[in-house]
Amino acid sequence: DTGVSQDPRHKITKRGQNVTFRCDPISEHNRLYWYRQTLGQGPEFLTYFQNEAQLEKSRLLSDRFSAERPKGSFSTLEIQRTEQGDSAMYLCASSLGGHSYEQYFGPGTRLTVT
Amino acid sequence: KQEVTQIPAALSVPEGENLVLNCSFTDSAIYNLQWFRQDPGKGLTSLLLIQSSQREQTSGRLNASLDKSSGRSTLYIAASQPGDSATYLCAVTNTGNQFYFGTGTSLTVIP
Repeated sequence: DTGVSQDPRHKITKRGQNVTFRCDPISEHNRLYWYRQTLGQGPEFLTYFQNEAQLEKSRLLSDRFSAERPKGSFSTLEIQRTEQGDSAMYLCASSLGGHSYEQYFGPGTRLTVT
Repeated sequence: KQEVTQIPAALSVPEGENLVLNCSFTDSAIYNLQWFRQDPGKGLTSLLLIQSSQREQTSGRLNASLDKSSGRSTLYIAASQPGDSATYLCAVTNTGNQFYFGTGTSLTVIP
């Protein structure tokens, strides 16, 4: 059990470019969550997957954002046409499933849009 | 919509003191509540999870309590140490599909 991993850890991009982040949950965890966190704030929920099904999406997730979990294992979060307001830490978490909702977080991807 | 508030926003204590962090939520129909710590620039580390049917959970020097009816939880840290310095966050969920976080309490323990 190596924990939740995220790649890349840091991303600097120019406004208008597309970026994609990857999250690998703890193996056998069937729930996966994406959050966004800005400085001084708590994480804000973006989206939730149970296996490969995306079951919940926040209204924060505009049409420029898309997330996938094609085989119920790793997940990707893509931001198209990035804006400076997208600069934040993007966090991924997983939980086992069943009645267990204890979340385990990855180290995050720090996005800076210039 | 569930709203989570944490008080105080920042706290500074001398080493060895016992302290209490507070978390309140507006919708008492929660499924569980989880406490995390976050070090600067890092991800979140789970500390304690309390199911809605439980009143408290303990792990080492940490004790978390839950009062669903009043929409409150407290995290008690005994005999604080400099290594406890971090931001402490609480999160609640009503369904397990979406979690709501507070803005955290930034704790500094002075040696």
